[in-house]
Amino acid sequence: KNQVEQSPQSLIILEGKNCTLQCNYTVSPFSNLRWYKQDTGRGPVSLTIMTFSENTKSNGRYTATLDADTKQSSLHITASQLSDSASYICVVSDRGSTLGRLYFGRGTQLTVWP
Amino acid sequence: EADIYQTPRYLVIGTGKKITLECSQTMGHDKMYWYQQDPGMELHLIHYSYGVNSTEKGDLSSESTVSRIRTEHFPLTLESARPSHTSQYLCASTAATLIAGGATYEQYFGPGTRLTVT
Repeated sequence: KNQVEQSPQSLIILEGKNCTLQCNYTVSPFSNLRWYKQDTGRGPVSLTIMTFSENTKSNGRYTATLDADTKQSSLHITASQLSDSASYICVVSDRGSTLGRLYFGRGTQLTVWP
Repeated sequence: EADIYQTPRYLVIGTGKKITLECSQTMGHDKMYWYQQDPGMELHLIHYSYGVNSTEKGDLSSESTVSRIRTEHFPLTLESARPSHTSQYLCASTAATLIAGGATYEQYFGPGTRLTVT
C-alpha cells in the first residue's frame, strides 16, 4: 500500500534553533517528493521538489534531503523564525499517469516559540 | 504564490442546505482539483478536472459534485449539507514545471474554505 509517514507529529522549538522533520514513504513507482508548508487556515505552498536523482535541495533556510534507496526524506530548517510555525507536509508523486498521483503525509505541526 | 482564489473562506450553515464553494484561477491551468482536509489529517482528493467539460471523482468518496464550464472556474456543490461534511476544502490547479531529468506538475493551492455544518 502506498503510504507517506511523517514524524514527529508535532514539534516545539525556540526561535533561532534548528530542527529536522522526517518523511518515510512506500510509494512505488516513485517520481518525485515534495515538501509543502501550510500555514493555519491557508493552502499548502511548495518548498521543494526532488526527483530520485537529487540528494539535497535548498530553498533559503529550508534544506530537503532524499534517500531514494531507503525511501526517506528530511526537511531541515535552520535558524528558525516565528513565521516558520506551520504544518509541513511531505508529498510523494508516482509515475503512474500524467496526473502524477500524489500521496500526502499528515504533516508535522511545527511551533516556534520566542 | 499562485493566483487561485476560493470563496467563501469560512461558512457555517445548517443541515439540509445547498451550498456551492467557489474556486477560480487566473493562470489558464487546465488541471484543477478539490481536496478535503480534516485537522491533523492528510489531504484527500475528492474531484479533479483535466479541462473544460471534464470532471472525475477522486480517491475519497464524496457526496459533492463539481462542474467545469470555464477553464478558470471549478465550483463544488453540496446539494444537502450534513454535519459529516464539516471539513476544510482546498482547491488546487497545476502547471508543468521542470525538474531534474524531465518535468512534473506543480500544484498551486487556494487558501481553502472552512465549512461547518450544524
